[in-house]
Amino acid sequence: QSVLTQPPSVSAAPGQKVTISCSGSTSNIEYNFVSWYQQLPGTAPQILIYDNDQRPSGIPDRFSGSKSGTSATLAITGLQTGDEADYYCATWDSDLSVNVFGGGTKLTVL
Amino acid sequence: QVQLQESGPGLVKPSQTLSLTCTVSGGSINSGDYYWSWIRQPPGKGLEWIGYTSYSGSTYYNPSLKSRLTISEDTSKNLFSLSLRSVTAADTAVYYCARDSRYCSSTSCFYYWGQGTLVTVSS
Repeated sequence: QSVLTQPPSVSAAPGQKVTISCSGSTSNIEYNFVSWYQQLPGTAPQILIYDNDQRPSGIPDRFSGSKSGTSATLAITGLQTGDEADYYCATWDSDLSVNVFGGGTKLTVL
Repeated sequence: QVQLQESGPGLVKPSQTLSLTCTVSGGSINSGDYYWSWIRQPPGKGLEWIGYTSYSGSTYYNPSLKSRLTISEDTSKNLFSLSLRSVTAADTAVYYCARDSRYCSSTSCFYYWGQGTLVTVSS
């Protein structure tokens, strides 16, 4: 059971928008930077967002991150079938003194 | 662009030591203020951070694995290594090596990843 809670699954139609939440606490999300990762089937994770809302070069602006208090959110607009993947949030937990990942969210594009 | 490649045995017997290396290309392991991490993923499950070795040579381990774990660097070969002792079936996972970026502000920023290597613990 992760200290970061993500919904197990989300779904939306192509072209639509979806949001994935990552709920934590004052010991992790609230005072530390959050990053987001996309893991396509059978591949290594790829960074989508770092430092709460920063996109690496090459990541489309359809992907955006935000943070408020003890929760973070990944938003994906203009959904494509190629976005079907597992998505993970990550941050540092100051109480546990460890980097932690959320349990992951499986995105289905209907 | 930095590239990471994991290597090591795909099968380890219970109670033995799991040893993996991560070979770095496209950059020197001892240049820059970077954190070189190991992360694992049991089959069908989520990601778990194992630990890192940093640019200063210091290490930091996940407390849940600390008693069995060693992460080290070999600057002459431009690689870093993972050694996990007394393994059990629960250590069966895909093991990834990763590195942050100069753009990152935290150690949970895994900017570059290796492709991963599956290690099965079984007799």
